[in-house]
Amino acid sequence: GAGVSQSPRYKVAKRGQDVALRCDPISGHVSLFWYQQALGQGPEFLTYFQNEAQLDKSGLPSDRFFAERPEGSVSTLKIQRTQQEDSAVYLCASTRQGEYTEAFFGQGTRLTVV
Amino acid sequence: DQQVKQNSPSLSVQEGRISILNCDYTNSMFDYFLWYKKYPAEGPTFLISISSIKDKNEDGRFTVFLNKSAKHLSLHIVPSQPGDSAVYFCAASPDDKIIFGKGTRLHILP
Repeated sequence: GAGVSQSPRYKVAKRGQDVALRCDPISGHVSLFWYQQALGQGPEFLTYFQNEAQLDKSGLPSDRFFAERPEGSVSTLKIQRTQQEDSAVYLCASTRQGEYTEAFFGQGTRLTVV
Repeated sequence: DQQVKQNSPSLSVQEGRISILNCDYTNSMFDYFLWYKKYPAEGPTFLISISSIKDKNEDGRFTVFLNKSAKHLSLHIVPSQPGDSAVYFCAASPDDKIIFGKGTRLHILP
């Protein structure tokens, strides 16, 4: 497809379960971002990759959160031992190389921890 | 501490009139700003942007104004249409990330 693709669209996890969220960026896009959007809030930055290098992970809320992009394309956001406060929509975005370019977002994965 | 602030959670505007959405930012080093639109159950979609070397950028019905001295930007939509009903996010891109405000929900009334 032409856009950013995220899977699954919805995920219900029991507290304590590990989850993995997948992002397929637009082909050829160098940069990839993960955001967390809680209900009624704007997207909050989690982490950023340029190709396979994770250049910024300052937004990851705890060491239970881990992201990877081993071949510089598909990325996975993993959350270990999920907690109720992890319930949110997780958005992935990609941009082409260069400054001052807009990010294209996927539809997001809605995670509900019960 | 919020670096990008949208102080109006919601706004209602009559169809055909002008919608004005406001945004303030705290960091004078920010030099690129974007507006995104979001429908329910979809990701945000890029609408319009402006760099700090300009004070206005226009694209069809959408115009963004930037007042650097006041650290304020606004999005004008004219004329407003029913399909404009959505949540609008103001964002700043200082470096490798985009920082979003909390959004303003725009309702276009028939």
